[in-house]
Formats: sequence, C-alpha cells, structure tokens
Amino acid sequence: EPEVTQTPSHQVTQMGQEVILRCVPISNHLYFYWYRQILGQKVEFLVSFYNNEISEKSEIFDDQFSVERPDGSNFTLKIRSTKLEDSAMYFCASLLDSGNTIYFGEGSWLTVV
Amino acid sequence: GESVGLHLPTLSVQEGDNSIINCAYSNSASDYFIWYKQESGKGPQFIIDIRSNMDKRQGQRVTVLLNKTVKHLSLQIAATQPGDSAVYFCAEKGPNQAGTALIFGKGTTLSVSS
Repeated sequence: EPEVTQTPSHQVTQMGQEVILRCVPISNHLYFYWYRQILGQKVEFLVSFYNNEISEKSEIFDDQFSVERPDGSNFTLKIRSTKLEDSAMYFCASLLDSGNTIYFGEGSWLTVV
Repeated sequence: GESVGLHLPTLSVQEGDNSIINCAYSNSASDYFIWYKQESGKGPQFIIDIRSNMDKRQGQRVTVLLNKTVKHLSLQIAATQPGDSAVYFCAEKGPNQAGTALIFGKGTTLSVSS
C-alpha cells in the first residue's frame, strides 16, 4: 500500500538552528500538509500546499516556517530558527483530491535543546 | 474556542466489549468528519469517515454515528481487541469551505485489557 514517508524519524537540534524536515507524499496525490503534535496533545494543522503554493495555513505557521516542493517527489518543512517550543512530532500528510482521505506519515520527532 | 473535542480523555474496556468513543463539534457548517487511530509513536491512521448527508456509516467492526442536531459524533468499535488500544481522534474539515485541511480534537485514549 502506498504510504507517506518522512525523514528523519528523530532530530535533535540546538535552539536557534535551522531544521529541514522532509517528506515524500504518495506519488499521485495533489495536496500536501504539515501537522504537528506536541507530546500528549492533539494534532495541530500547520499548512496545506496545492498546485505549488500554500493554500491554507494556521496561526502557528508564522514567518519562521516555510514549505517547499523542490522537485516532483519531496515536500519539505523548514523551521528557520528553532525555539524550545518547536519540540514536537511533525507529521506530513497527503491527499489525492478533495473528497478523499488524508493519509499521514509516521512523523519526524524534533527535539530542540 | 475549540472546534472539535472529545468527551472523555480515557476509556478502559475489557476485550470483547463494545467501545463507544464520543466527540462534540461546534461548527454547524462542518460537512465532513473522520476518525483516526494513533498508536504510540506513529502517525494518525484513517479508520472511517462520514459526510453530513449521512447519519451512520459502517466499516469492518467500526460504526460512525453523526447527530447534526446536537453536533455529536461517535465511534463504535465492536468486540474490542487489545490491538485496538490507541488514541482515537475525531477530525472535521476546517472552517475554510474551499479548503481541505482537517481540524483535530483532543483525543481519547482507549485501553483494552484481556
């Protein structure tokens, strides 16, 4: 079964450093998402991406965050200058088309120290 | 305020029992709802979904009920098994009607003892 894959599975970074989390969405999907989940809390929407541009974003997705689809397969989330409160599990997800199911990856656990 | 939420943070059942997990939502315009299962250290896994033009949908051992009058969603798991132990989230399509993003509730931790 096709799946969303994410790398790295776990990254530890120093506060203030830049981090790039990578995702390979399901190959024929058109919509891509990043969500985050702080330990023990709910899954929070960050951003959605469609047709090579951001289509929706939440209040969490401020100027420190950016997304990019550098080629036909990867979808990345960049955090420019990490803060302690950015420590969370970050999930990538993809959707074939509106009306279908959103599929999630296994997550990248980011620890900012 | 929170758009989607769950009534109970935890639910403990015996193997073989039926489980009912509840969720309340506040946006009466929501037209699409999904239940996800999240096992420890893993991503949310789709279980079942329902659109607002339906009030019940059945899958394999799972049933979702939607009561639009009281804005309530429930997930019923028949003959609960230890492998069903996980956190269950309900999610709804976000407030942007043209968008596709999902908004998640807080989650209910289901513990199944054998």
